[in-house]
Amino acid sequence: GIQVEQSPPDLILQEGANSTLRCNFSDSVNNLQWFHQNPWGQLINLFYIPSGTKQNGRLSATTVATERYSLLYISSSQTTDSGVYFCAVDHDYKLSFGAGTTVTVRA
Amino acid sequence: DVKVTQSSRYLVKRTGEKVFLECVQDMDHENMFWYRQDPGLGLRLIYFSYDVKMKEKGDIPEGYSVSREKKERFSLILESASTNQTSMYLCASSSTGGGGQETQYFGPGTRLLVL
Repeated sequence: GIQVEQSPPDLILQEGANSTLRCNFSDSVNNLQWFHQNPWGQLINLFYIPSGTKQNGRLSATTVATERYSLLYISSSQTTDSGVYFCAVDHDYKLSFGAGTTVTVRA
Repeated sequence: DVKVTQSSRYLVKRTGEKVFLECVQDMDHENMFWYRQDPGLGLRLIYFSYDVKMKEKGDIPEGYSVSREKKERFSLILESASTNQTSMYLCASSSTGGGGQETQYFGPGTRLLVL
């Protein structure tokens, strides 16, 4: 099956810092989604981004499908950004998830 | 707003018990999914359904079955619970169509402990 690798596995940030999370995938995909899981376990879709760049407030994402990677940018991080960020790719109409990046933002 | 609800947030069962996890969505979505989440492994797909009474195996279906008798409800069944099925179980739903409609919406999860 398709392999999805996320890096780094863990990230500790000071409030106000910027960061970049990376997602590499091993095959062509129909679409790619980024999710945030809050400390209570709720998963929220951040971006549906099969290609190109999208922005939503302090978050933005870029997918370069031809090179099989996607990047999630967090700017001016806040403590509410803490949690686990997952990348998921749609291959054969099923989502395959990476292992996630755990982000901790300290006040 | 899309709402996906799961029957329990926390559940404790004994080895060998039959366990039912229920998921309900209120957005008339065609597709529903069951995942389990374990530390360091991300989410892994157990089963999914594209229509009523239809089911497809995901990546890890062994030890599980599912039922979808109504469009809004998708049940996950552990026929005989085992300790290695202790996990967080997440249900999701999505619509069918292009342009981002396939975005999956997740329930709050059920933390199952099998003793």
